[in-house]
Amino acid sequence: DVKVTQSSRYLVKRTGEKVFLECVQDMDHENMFWYRQDPGLGLRLIYFSYDVKMKEKGDIPEGYSVSREKKERFSLILESASTNQTSMYLCASSLSPGFYEQYFGPGTRLTVT
Amino acid sequence: GENVEQHPSTLSVQEGDSAVIKCTYSDSASNYFPWYKQELGKRPQLIIDIRSNVGEKKDQRIAVTLNKTAKHFSLHITETQPEDSAVYFCAASTGGYQKVTFGTGTKLQVIP
Repeated sequence: DVKVTQSSRYLVKRTGEKVFLECVQDMDHENMFWYRQDPGLGLRLIYFSYDVKMKEKGDIPEGYSVSREKKERFSLILESASTNQTSMYLCASSLSPGFYEQYFGPGTRLTVT
Repeated sequence: GENVEQHPSTLSVQEGDSAVIKCTYSDSASNYFPWYKQELGKRPQLIIDIRSNVGEKKDQRIAVTLNKTAKHFSLHITETQPEDSAVYFCAASTGGYQKVTFGTGTKLQVIP
């Protein structure tokens, strides 16, 4: 059974703080993704990674960066948090090319005040 | 890039009735179309998917149809039950590194 975990379920940060969101998967998946979910906007891709130390911009990368030093761990970094980054953040992983199902983590609800 | 539009944004049906959610996509190279279900407070989970070489796929009470010419695909749920109440997301992908583009979601409410 695939397990994708995220470091926090709820997080409150102040404007300007540096924020780290971590995601870990335990099934040796090649691909990992970070999405943000906002009402009426669906799931929007921030960044994804198809290999260790590899990353690709998604549809809304501005204000975010990522790190993937190990295959099982994918971190999302908000260099200087702003109130418009208040959202639900979802991490996901998938096995390899040809196996498309994405397995999601439980999400981190981030509030920036 | 790919753009996926999803309708309706909300849908209420009586228990036992059918529900249909429709999506259109813009990139004719898209060849994989998954549907995810997200129950309240839970993570999205894949419920069914279809590839572009198939026109229809069924799994018990759910089915997905694909019209490549018109670039639209639909989710059909028959004999709806209260546990079908959730937000449903359609998505499209051109394959490659498996980046998918999601629709904006449909909140389905099944009224007992």
